[in-house]
Amino acid sequence: EPEVTQTPSHQVTQMGQEVILRCVPISNHLYFYWYRQILGQKVEFLVSFYNNEISEKSEIFDDQFSVERPDGSNFTLKIRSTKLEDSAMYFCASKVMSDSPLHFGNGTRLTVT
Amino acid sequence: QQQVKQSPQSLIVQKGGISIINCAYENTAFDYFPWYQQFPGKGPALLIAIRPDVSEKKEGRFTISFNKSAKQFSLHIMDSQPGDSATYFCAASYRETSGSRLTFGEGTQLTVNP
Repeated sequence: EPEVTQTPSHQVTQMGQEVILRCVPISNHLYFYWYRQILGQKVEFLVSFYNNEISEKSEIFDDQFSVERPDGSNFTLKIRSTKLEDSAMYFCASKVMSDSPLHFGNGTRLTVT
Repeated sequence: QQQVKQSPQSLIVQKGGISIINCAYENTAFDYFPWYQQFPGKGPALLIAIRPDVSEKKEGRFTISFNKSAKQFSLHIMDSQPGDSATYFCAASYRETSGSRLTFGEGTQLTVNP
């Protein structure tokens, strides 16, 4: 069964550094998302991306965050200058159509020290 | 208005018992209510979902009950098994934009004892 693939599985970075989290959505999917989950808390929406542009973003997704789909297969989340509070599990998700089920990857655990 | 409230926070059930997890929402524009199952170290996986035009949906041992007037929905796991031990999240979304973000509940950690 096709899967959403995320790399790396765990990334440790120092406060103030830039990080790029990478995702390969399922190949025929058209809608792409990033969510995050702080340890022990609920999953929170960050941003949705469709037709090569952001369709919706949450209040968490400030100017430090950006997303890109640089080619036909990858979908990236960049955090320009990481803060301690950015430490979380980041999940990429995709779906084929607006009304389709959302498929999540296994996440990247980001630790900011 | 965007919140989805989930209870209980944790639940312990004996093998073969019924697990019941409840969620409540405020935004009447929500029109899609999925339940996700998450195992440690994994992403959430869609378990079952319902739209407000029906009051119940059953898939195998999993049933969603939906009460539109009360703005509540619940997940029932019949004949609970140790392999069902996981964290369960309810969620809700609406089709205002093509993004249709999911708003998640706080999660319920289910433990099924053998």
